[in-house]
Amino acid sequence: GENVEQHPSTLSVQEGDSAVIKCTYSDSASNYFPWYKQELGKRPQLIIDIRSNVGEKKDQRIAVTLNKTAKHFSLHITETQPEDSAVYFCAAAGGYSTLTFGKGTMLLVSP
Amino acid sequence: EAQVTQNPRYLITVTGKKLTVTCSQNMNHEYMSWYRQDPGLGLRQIYYSMNVEVTDKGDVPEGYKVSRKEKRNFPLILESPSPNQTSLYFCASSPGQGSSPLHFGNGTRLTVT
Repeated sequence: GENVEQHPSTLSVQEGDSAVIKCTYSDSASNYFPWYKQELGKRPQLIIDIRSNVGEKKDQRIAVTLNKTAKHFSLHITETQPEDSAVYFCAAAGGYSTLTFGKGTMLLVSP
Repeated sequence: EAQVTQNPRYLITVTGKKLTVTCSQNMNHEYMSWYRQDPGLGLRQIYYSMNVEVTDKGDVPEGYKVSRKEKRNFPLILESPSPNQTSLYFCASSPGQGSSPLHFGNGTRLTVT
């Protein structure tokens, strides 16, 4: 089955800095890569996703890049703000397979 | 409002006392799934269902049961809870399996003493 590795497990940045979270996956058939944000005490919520026919996708301060050859994808957050502090999960799935999640990254943005 | 509703939000029980966590979605989604979240382990899938009367094991199914008698409901059953099932549980749904965004419920924090 699919295996998703996520790094780092914790990331501390100063407000205004950029943050990058990286994930690798094992199944070359995977074609859907979402990112979820989970604020403290809340449910995970989708913030951005990318499909394998696209190399990069942006939504305001958030972007995701995908390298199918190397089987890794990354989340980029620019101009970080304290409200970006949360746990971020990457995931991968292909076709009829279910989503497999990484173990999560706790992002702390200090004012 | 489109949502996934789980109940209860918090539950404290004792070892061996059967319990059910309910999950309902109002989006007519075919796919539903249960996850448990433990510190350092991320979200691990317990069971999933691709449609009514179709269920399958996820990565950590031991000690759990599910049923899908109606499209909107997907209850999680713990026949004989044990302390190692103390966790935060999430139900989720999506229009299809795999390549569709998941909508999560608000979670159920279960403590088994």
